[in-house]
Amino acid sequence: TQLLEQSPQFLSIQEGENLTVYCNSSSVFSSLQWYRQEPGEGPVLLVTVVTGGEVKKLKRLTFQFGDARKDSSLHITAAQPGDTGLYLCAGDEYTGNQFYFGTGTSLTVIP
Amino acid sequence: DTGVSQNPRHKITKRGQNVTFRCDPISEHNRLYWYRQTLGQGPEFLTYFQNEAQLEKSRLLSDRFSAERPKGSFSTLEIQRTEQGDSAMYLCASSLESGLAGGGEQFFGPGTRLTVL
Repeated sequence: TQLLEQSPQFLSIQEGENLTVYCNSSSVFSSLQWYRQEPGEGPVLLVTVVTGGEVKKLKRLTFQFGDARKDSSLHITAAQPGDTGLYLCAGDEYTGNQFYFGTGTSLTVIP
Repeated sequence: DTGVSQNPRHKITKRGQNVTFRCDPISEHNRLYWYRQTLGQGPEFLTYFQNEAQLEKSRLLSDRFSAERPKGSFSTLEIQRTEQGDSAMYLCASSLESGLAGGGEQFFGPGTRLTVL
C-alpha cells in the first residue's frame, strides 16, 4: 500500500511546454520531498518542503506543499530534454520512522 | 566521492539461492534505510536502522529477508531462498537524524539490481 498517489503516471511532452505533477495523500506529513531518478540509478533529492503552504523554486521547477500538509505539486516551466526522468514524491509522517514514496511520474520531454 | 555506495551493482542468481548485498552510507550519517523498487514504481520501504539498532521493519518484509548493521556503519541485506518475485532494485539510503521532525534528508545509493532466474 502506497500512501502517496502521483498523477499523471506517465507524461510525454514537447520541449518548451509546461507541466504539473501532483502528489496526493489522505495522511498528514511532517515534511515532503521530491526526487528525480534516472534509469539504473538511485533517486536524487530535488527539494524538501516542511511548512504547510510553502512554495520553493529551483530554477524552472516550482514546488508547493499543501496547506493541510497532505499534498504537493511540482511545476516545470519550459521543459527541456534533460528534465526526462522518474519524479517521485516522498513523505514521512510525524513519527519520522518510515518514509513513504509516491507511485512515481515518468516524464519524457521530446526535443 | 563520499556518497552512499552499494555492492554489487548487479546480481543474477538462481531461484532458491541466498544473496547478500552491502551498503556503505555517508560516514557521519546515523540512519540507514533499505528499499525495494520494481520497474516504473516508487521505492517501497523495507527497514531502517538508527546506528546499529534496527528500529522498524515493513510488514512486506518476509522472514527470508534479514538486515544487519553490526557496528553502526555499513549494512548488509540478505535474502534467503530467493524467489522470482524478489527480482527488483534494492536501494540503500542514509541520513543524519537531527532530532527534528522529518528524520533528515535521505541520500540514496545507486542500488543493486537483483535478477532471480
